[in-house]
Formats: sequence, structure tokens, C-alpha cells
Amino acid sequence: QVQLQESGPGLVKPSQTLSLTCTVSGGSISSGDYYWTWIRQPAGKELEWIGRINTSWNTIYNPSLRSRVTISVDTSKNQFSLKLNSLTAADTAVYYCARQGPISSSWPFDYWGQGSLVTVSS
Amino acid sequence: QSVLTQPPSVSGAPGQRVTISCTGSSSNIGAGYHVHWYQQLPGTAPRLLIYGDTNRPSGVPDRFSGSKSGTSASLAVTGLQAEDEADYYCQSYDSSLSGWVFGGGTKLTVL
Repeated sequence: QVQLQESGPGLVKPSQTLSLTCTVSGGSISSGDYYWTWIRQPAGKELEWIGRINTSWNTIYNPSLRSRVTISVDTSKNQFSLKLNSLTAADTAVYYCARQGPISSSWPFDYWGQGSLVTVSS
Repeated sequence: QSVLTQPPSVSGAPGQRVTISCTGSSSNIGAGYHVHWYQQLPGTAPRLLIYGDTNRPSGVPDRFSGSKSGTSASLAVTGLQAEDEADYYCQSYDSSLSGWVFGGGTKLTVL
């Protein structure tokens, strides 16, 4: 059973950079045609897809965040990471890492981490 | 304003059937992209409930079913149980936005 776990600081100052890591267990991050994804959810609001990467370092980012986001992967540690710079209070959210498909030619987010609350405040 | 529109809330009594709609457009659901549904219990991460429009992952009760027609999709829950009380989100791909999008979420209340 694949498990994902986010880690990183819970409080970051405005204008600084958020750094989160997702550790994958129960399987190799390099096996299969999966994409490793970051999704966030501000309190009481909907989910927002941030971006994804595969182990060939192919990345796609949400156009609304593209200028501030970097997602990377470390296959030796079975981890992938998120960096989001120039933070404002609007970036305060629970950040989830997730695995994306494929399942029978569709690409759902089938495994999720438990989420990491990041608050942007001075 | 979400790209995929869901009703903010639905409710039903135990044992009843409820449906949650997800309305998109020609750049997402109407373009043929798959719709997936997630259940989010309070304080927990979303859980995949329906994938590829109509398919249930193993472990999901057959009380949950998905359908799609035109630019809309629906999630049906039959035989409502107290444990079904949660937020439900639809999700698809949008070619205009070049990314994956979620609905605004629907809170299901079991009366």
C-alpha cells in the first residue's frame, strides 16, 4: 500500500519561500508511469492543483502559480519536493502531496498524504 | 468562481438517495476528459471515490456511483448512512487552463 507523508515548516514569513517534501513509502517513486503532484486547500475553500512531476523530471505547473513554483524529485530518497516563493497570506493553506494515475486510461489522484498546514504570517 | 460548478450543499435522510451534480464546459467535461470524485471527511485528506467517470476503486461501497453526460457529471449515493456525511469534490482536466481543476465542493448532510 503506497503511503505519502508531507514534511516542512508550518509557519513561513511573507515574501519568503515555502519548502515542503513528500516522502513516498510502500513502493518506489520510480516504478510505473505515475506523476507526483502537489495540491493545496485554503481553510474552508476548494482544492487547487499546483503542479506535478514524474521521474523523468517532466513538470507541469498551474499557470496561475507557474512563475513562483518549482517541483523536484529525488529518486534516491523516494521523495519529491515543492518550493513556492514570494509568499503572501493568500498562500496559507493545507498542502497535500498526491500520486496521479494511471488507472484504466484515466488519471485520478489515487493516493494522498495527510496534508501539511502552512501559515504565512510575520 | 470554480471552473466546475457544484451545489454548496445537499442533504438526505438515512436510507435515501441523493445526487451531487458537477457542471463544466466544452473545455473540460464536454471535451471528453474524465471526471473523478473525492470524498473528504472532516479534518482528513480527500479519498478517491470514483475514477474515469463511473469506476469505483476497490473498497468503495457500491452505494456510490458516477455518471456523465455532455458537459455535466453526477455522483449518486444510495442508502445514505451517517458515515457518508462529508465534503465531495469533482475533478477533471481543462484544456483552456492547461491543468487539472476541481469543483467547489458539496457538503453532504445526513439528516
